Amino acid sequence: EVQLVESGGGLIQPGASLRLSCAASGFTVSSNYMSWARQAPGKGLESVSIIDSGGNTNYADSVKGRFTVSRDNSKNTVYLQMNSLRAEDTAVYYCVRLGGADWGQGTVVTVSS
Amino acid sequence: DVVLTQSPLSLPVTLGQPASISCRSSQSLVHSDGNTYFIWFQQRPGQSPRRLIYKVSNRDSGVPDRFSGSGSGTDFTLKISRVEAEDVGVYYCMQHTRWPYTFGQGTKLEIK
Repeated sequence: EVQLVESGGGLIQPGASLRLSCAASGFTVSSNYMSWARQAPGKGLESVSIIDSGGNTNYADSVKGRFTVSRDNSKNTVYLQMNSLRAEDTAVYYCVRLGGADWGQGTVVTVSS
Repeated sequence: DVVLTQSPLSLPVTLGQPASISCRSSQSLVHSDGNTYFIWFQQRPGQSPRRLIYKVSNRDSGVPDRFSGSGSGTDFTLKISRVEAEDVGVYYCMQHTRWPYTFGQGTKLEIK
């Protein structure tokens, strides 16, 4: 059974950094393309970043230069390093497999002073 | 970016009656490999999203056959043949043909 478990969210001040983790089971992250999506309060869903099976990455314009996606094959885990956080990054962050096939439960990131 | 426009945004339905949601794309979603990477997913209150339909019309394992997807190119439809109480939630369309992957605004289905 595929499972995605996100962690690392929390309340953080503007300008600070946070790293989200997505621990996967039931499949191998290095053989799939994995993405992060977010949903801000009262807003729609937005794709944030993607890492494919070759390790190639891409980002939404809104986070380019601030966020970095990576993975640790030995831990079967995907990460989202978020730097220079802004209030508008406040959202529930979901780890997603294969363009929507499976979703984690989400982790809440709140950027506020 | 590809813009996905869903309608309606609110869908009150009587139990046992059919329901239909439309999603229109600003660009063709046919990938260079010939596939159309378009999905429908459901988000029940307090739960994570769950994919229902992939590549336009393929139902995921465990999804009741009252759900069906159709369409091509830029116009897509999700149909529920007979709405049940457990179908309450928000339905989204999503494309993963082109980065950034984009989503419709969501359609909130409620029971009348």
